[in-house]
Amino acid sequence: QQQVKQSPQSLIVQKGGISIINCAYENTAFDYFPWYQQFPGKGPALLIAIRPDVSEKKEGRFTISFNKSAKQFSLHIMDSQPGDSATYFCAAEFNDYKLSFGAGTTVTVRA
Amino acid sequence: NAGVMQNPRHLVRRRGQEARLRCSPMKGHSHVYWYRQLPEEGLKFMVYLQKENIIDESGMPKERFSAEFPKEGPSILRIQQVVRGDSAAYFCASSPSDRGSYEQYFGPGTRLTVT
Repeated sequence: QQQVKQSPQSLIVQKGGISIINCAYENTAFDYFPWYQQFPGKGPALLIAIRPDVSEKKEGRFTISFNKSAKQFSLHIMDSQPGDSATYFCAAEFNDYKLSFGAGTTVTVRA
Repeated sequence: NAGVMQNPRHLVRRRGQEARLRCSPMKGHSHVYWYRQLPEEGLKFMVYLQKENIIDESGMPKERFSAEFPKEGPSILRIQQVVRGDSAAYFCASSPSDRGSYEQYFGPGTRLTVT
C-alpha cells in the first residue's frame, strides 16, 4: 500500500523552464512533507520541506505548494538548470521519524 | 566531517547466501534508520534503531531480516537466505535525535544483487 502517490514518473524540461511534480497522500496523521533530491549513485538529500499549516514555501528556485484540504502538495523548480537533473522524491512523515516516500520523478533538464 | 558511510556499495549474492550490510552513522549521531528501495519505487522504511535498541521494526519482513546497532561499531542489516526479490538498494540514514526526519542524513546506499 503506497501512502504517497507521486507523478509524473519522469519529465523533460528545457533549460530555464519550470518543472512541476505532484504528490498526494491519504493519511491525515502526516505532519511534515519533505522533498528529496537524489543523484545517481548517491543517497537522497533533503531539498525543501513544509508543514501543513503553511500553504507555500519558497527557497531559491524551489517552491512547495501545499493544499491540506485536497491532501496534495507539489514541487516547482523555476528556471530549471542542467544541474537540477536528478530524481526527486516527495515524502510524508509521522511520529517524528518515519518517512513514507513517493515513487520518484526523474527530471532531465536539456541545455 | 564524514557523512553517513555504507559498505559495501555493491554486493552480489547467490540465492540462499547471507548478506550483511553495514552503516556507520555521522559523528555524534546515535539514531539509525534503514530503508529499502526497489526498482522504480520510492524508499520504504524498514527499521529504526538506537544504540543497542530496536525502536521500530514495523517495516522489516518477518523472516530472514534482522538489524542491530551495537554499542560499538556500525549498524548491521542482515539478510539470511537471500532470494531474488531481495535485490534492491538499501539506504541507511542517521540523526542526532528522534525529533524529526529533517535531521536524517542518508548514506550512498548498498546495491544488493541476488543471482
